[in-house]
Amino acid sequence: AQKVTQAQTEISVVEKEDVTLDCVYETRDTTYYLFWYKQPPSGELVFLIRRNSFDEQNEISGRYSWNFQKSTSSFNFTITASQVVDSAVYFCALSTNTGGFKTIFGAGTRLFVKA
Amino acid sequence: EAGVAQSPRYKIIEKRQSVAFWCNPISGHATLYWYQQILGQGPKLLIQFQNNGVVDDSQLPKDRFSAERLKGVDSTLKIQPAKLEDSAVYLCASRRTSGSSETQYFGPGTRLLVL
Repeated sequence: AQKVTQAQTEISVVEKEDVTLDCVYETRDTTYYLFWYKQPPSGELVFLIRRNSFDEQNEISGRYSWNFQKSTSSFNFTITASQVVDSAVYFCALSTNTGGFKTIFGAGTRLFVKA
Repeated sequence: EAGVAQSPRYKIIEKRQSVAFWCNPISGHATLYWYQQILGQGPKLLIQFQNNGVVDDSQLPKDRFSAERLKGVDSTLKIQPAKLEDSAVYLCASRRTSGSSETQYFGPGTRLLVL
């Protein structure tokens, strides 16, 4: 069965601190996709990244970086020099295609960045 | 480019009534998603279309929910009859792919309250 665990329910940091949001997934599939989304207080979901299971290269986009490690089934997200605008709920998701395509989301991590 | 459009933005109905939501994706996007997000939870993918074909509807409660995308452009999600637990935000998204990468774009959502 597929599962996504975001163990951190809430994280609070002070502006300019670095913060890492954890995501651990479970699947028996060898081909799968991992995603991160941001949901700011306004409520609209924002897509951040997709990573496929064959690409373990880390990704950096501005202050955002993602660390994919198949050995630990983790796809962690780091925000460097956090800003107040980073305050949001962040969701990790997993898509697999065994017995039919399926996408599931983690419960989310609420990040508070204080000025 | 215009974003993903959804209507209505808000809907209040009584249980056992029917309701329909409409989504118009970004022009040219072949993939369209409907998500349900209950307050305080992560999104749940209800259905994914590729053009007018269904890719994933594993989490769609088919006894009461239906969705269609007849011409491979806009889509309608229907609930009939509604239950109290259907109160949620219904999000529509579409996807643009470029080589091996993708970007998803979300609409503002329809907030449904079932009384």
